[in-house]
Amino acid sequence: GENVEQHPSTLSVQEGDSAVIKCTYSDSASNYFPWYKQELGKGSQLIIDIRSNVGEKKDQRIAVTLNKTAKHFSLHITETQPEDSAVYFCAASIVEDNNNDMRFGAGTRLTVKP
Amino acid sequence: NAGVMQNPRHLVRRRGQEARLRCSPMKGHSHVYWYRQLPEEGLKFMVYLQKENIIDESGMPKERFSAEFPKEGPSILRIQQVVRGDSAAYFCASSPSRNTEAFFGQGTRLTVV
Repeated sequence: GENVEQHPSTLSVQEGDSAVIKCTYSDSASNYFPWYKQELGKGSQLIIDIRSNVGEKKDQRIAVTLNKTAKHFSLHITETQPEDSAVYFCAASIVEDNNNDMRFGAGTRLTVKP
Repeated sequence: NAGVMQNPRHLVRRRGQEARLRCSPMKGHSHVYWYRQLPEEGLKFMVYLQKENIIDESGMPKERFSAEFPKEGPSILRIQQVVRGDSAAYFCASSPSRNTEAFFGQGTRLTVV
C-alpha cells in the first residue's frame, strides 16, 4: 500500500521568510496530492492540491511542486506571516472512479515568528 | 502506541440501511475529528468531539448523520438510511487536547449500492 513520509516534523521561520515542507510517497500509481492546514482547535482545511498531470501549481503565496519520477512533492509558502503558523499535512491518493484511498503524512508544525 | 484506528476499512451498505463507522483515537487522546472525502474532492470537516461532548458539528448534515464519543470506547459516526450520495471515504483524526495537532486514521470507505 501507499506510504507517505513528511519532513520536517517541526519548522520555525522568521516572518517574511519562506517555508518548505517535503513529502515522499511510495506508490507510483498515486495521482492526487492535497495539502491540509490545521490550526489549533480547528479542523483541517484543504489549502492546495495538485494532480499528477502537472508539475507545479501556485495560489498567491502558496505553491506545490510535484516530481513524479522521484515520487516527492513539496509545499512552498513565501512571505510567511504569523497566521501561517499551523500544522500542515500532505496526503497522496489514487483517484480512480470511486476508489479513492488516501494516505497522510505525519504532519509538520510550522511556527512563524514575528 | 498504535495510531488512530478506524474500522471497518471498507463498508458496503444497501440504500436505506444504517452505516456505523468506528474510530479509536490514539492512547491519551480525548479529542476526535471526523471528515468526509467525496470522490475527487478534498476532505470536508464534519464534526469535532471531545469525550461525551460535541464541540462543533457545523460540517455535519442535519439529517441522518450523528456522531458520539462516549466515555468508554471508540467514537462512532452513524449514518441512517444511507443513500448513494453518502458513498465516500470517512476519516477521523485524534488529538490529546484542543490546542495540539491531530493524527489521522486510514479511513473507512463506505459504498452504498
